[in-house]
Amino acid sequence: SQTIHQWPATLVQPVGSPLSLECTVEGTSNPNLYWYRQAAGRGLQLLFYSVGIGQISSEVPQNLSASRPQDRQFILSSKKLLLSDSGFYLCAWKPGGARNGYTFGSGTRLTVV
Amino acid sequence: GENVEQHPSTLSVQEGDSAVIKCTYSDSASNYFPWYKQELGKGPQLIIDIRSNVGEKKDQRIAVTLNKTAKHFSLHITETQPEDSAVYFCAASRGEGAQKLVFGQGTRLTINP
Repeated sequence: SQTIHQWPATLVQPVGSPLSLECTVEGTSNPNLYWYRQAAGRGLQLLFYSVGIGQISSEVPQNLSASRPQDRQFILSSKKLLLSDSGFYLCAWKPGGARNGYTFGSGTRLTVV
Repeated sequence: GENVEQHPSTLSVQEGDSAVIKCTYSDSASNYFPWYKQELGKGPQLIIDIRSNVGEKKDQRIAVTLNKTAKHFSLHITETQPEDSAVYFCAASRGEGAQKLVFGQGTRLTINP
């Protein structure tokens, strides 16, 4: 069966520090991968998505970047965190080409101090 | 691009009563409409979805209806139970390409015993 792993679960980082959040999917190949951010009490905002290795599309210009170095690995990064980067970051996947809903990871709670 | 509006933002019902959450979408080309349930501190979980060639879908106490002409869809929960308390999100997407899901702002449902 397919599973999605996301870590770390919580993170407290100072302003100006770098960031790396990792997401991996098991039990499937060539998935579509997504990064969403959820601000406190708000909806889900799509940040990046990828339909294949090395293919990254950005939805919102900001202080973050994403990479997909391997088929089932999706990384969210920042060189210098801002206070406004605080939030709940969610990775999700779906079978490529299939019109299905996403499966979300358990999320990372990022607090920038 | 697609825009999804969700109402109400909060909903409180007595245990055993029904709850209804409504969403409207703007892109007439959207053809896939999932609903997610998010419990505190966790990632959203898919609970039911509907495609544009169907007007209604039911799964035990949960049902979703779709009105393509009016571009709105609704989630119905009958015989509510305390474990139904959570935040619910609707979403919409086109069926091609990266199939990006655009989410509503969420409804916090509270079931009062």
